[in-house]
Amino acid sequence: DGGITQSPKYLFRKEGQNVTLSCEQNLNHDAMYWYRQDPGQGLRLIYYSQIVNDFQKGDIAEGYSVSREKKESFPLTVTSAQKNPTAFYLCASSPGTDGTYEQYFGPGTRLTVT
Amino acid sequence: GESVGLHLPTLSVQEGDNSIINCAYSNSASDYFIWYKQESGKGPQFIIDIRSNMDKRQGQRVTVLLNKTVKHLSLQIAATQPGDSAVYFCAEDSGTYKYIFGTGTRLKVLA
Repeated sequence: DGGITQSPKYLFRKEGQNVTLSCEQNLNHDAMYWYRQDPGQGLRLIYYSQIVNDFQKGDIAEGYSVSREKKESFPLTVTSAQKNPTAFYLCASSPGTDGTYEQYFGPGTRLTVT
Repeated sequence: GESVGLHLPTLSVQEGDNSIINCAYSNSASDYFIWYKQESGKGPQFIIDIRSNMDKRQGQRVTVLLNKTVKHLSLQIAATQPGDSAVYFCAEDSGTYKYIFGTGTRLKVLA
């Protein structure tokens, strides 16, 4: 099956620890995205990547880091510098960035930091 | 359960009736719009899209209407079914591959 996978579905961490969320796609998409979703708010863009070995900050990048070493993978690290890390995190991909394309979403990871 | 969706506007419709969900978008330069459906604890699923050179587009049981004059988008679901219960939100793309997402509307289908 083609699609986007995120793991784990639920993640619990203690405050002060870094944590890495996985995102993999087998759709051969060039572009990948990370969003954060909080109750009552629209999706907010954390980071995006248009091509391997390149990525750009989104609207709320502070306290997060990413890498794009492979086309299929775009892991997100939530660092201890992120002040309110508890949220639902969504990864997405789209075929390209030279036009307008639908974004395909993964199932999400629910991160809880206590 | 998933807490995403708290404090959202809610539309309650009787099973079999038509549903209309509205969205106001922000950027008059946006040229591509998408409606997504999100069930509790899951990622958003694509429903239908429309480009700015169109006013209306129909899919299976769904229709999207675009009014560029007032920057308004609507999603119509015909013969609403229990499986349609979810949060629906719109997204706009102004051509910079950075989408702007609405906060969403919760649709509740009453048996």
